[in-house]
Amino acid sequence: QVQLQQSGPGLVKPSQTLSLTCAISGDSVSSNSAAWNWIRQSPSRGLEWLGRTYYRSKWYNDYALSVKSRITINGDTSKNQFSLHLNSVTPEDTAVYYCARDANWNYEFWGQGTLVTVSS
Amino acid sequence: QTVVTQEPSLTVSPGGTVTLTCASSTGAVTSGYYPNWFQQKPGQAPRTLIYSTSKKNSWTPARFSGSLLGGKAALTLSGVQPEDEAEYYCLLYYRSVWVFGGGTKLTVL
Repeated sequence: QVQLQQSGPGLVKPSQTLSLTCAISGDSVSSNSAAWNWIRQSPSRGLEWLGRTYYRSKWYNDYALSVKSRITINGDTSKNQFSLHLNSVTPEDTAVYYCARDANWNYEFWGQGTLVTVSS
Repeated sequence: QTVVTQEPSLTVSPGGTVTLTCASSTGAVTSGYYPNWFQQKPGQAPRTLIYSTSKKNSWTPARFSGSLLGGKAALTLSGVQPEDEAEYYCLLYYRSVWVFGGGTKLTVL
């Protein structure tokens, strides 16, 4: 059974970088059949797919246009986890952030969610 | 900017049948969009009911089914139960990025 455990601060100041980590158990971040995603949800924007990282002999990333200039998602094989970094945050980035695994087009496993508030 | 559109709200009677749809601003939804359908209840993370148009996860009740209907992805609930009252979201794949629909609030009344 795959489990995803999220960690990271719940409060970030405007203009700073939001960083979250998703620790994986029951699978490998370097799996050649999975992709590791970050998704967020807010009342104003609904569910929003932010991006993903996946390993197919090398690392690949895809990002949503809405955050492409500000986002980085990294996989860490030594810790079997992946991370989200979103820079230059504003109050609009306040949301519940989820990590999720997509394997065979199936978003079967999700993290527990982390509420991140952007406020001074 | 690609937009995925769902009915904002639907109401169904217990035991009834309802179909939720998911349309793409780019045109007809096909199997190549790998539609996923999620159920979300208050305070919980979304839970995948249907993936790749019509495939079910082990926890998906038999009364839920996915299909393509009239150029859209569709989620049909047959024999609706009170516990099916929730928000439902679709997710479509566009050549390396995924886009969520705005969600359908399903009321069982």
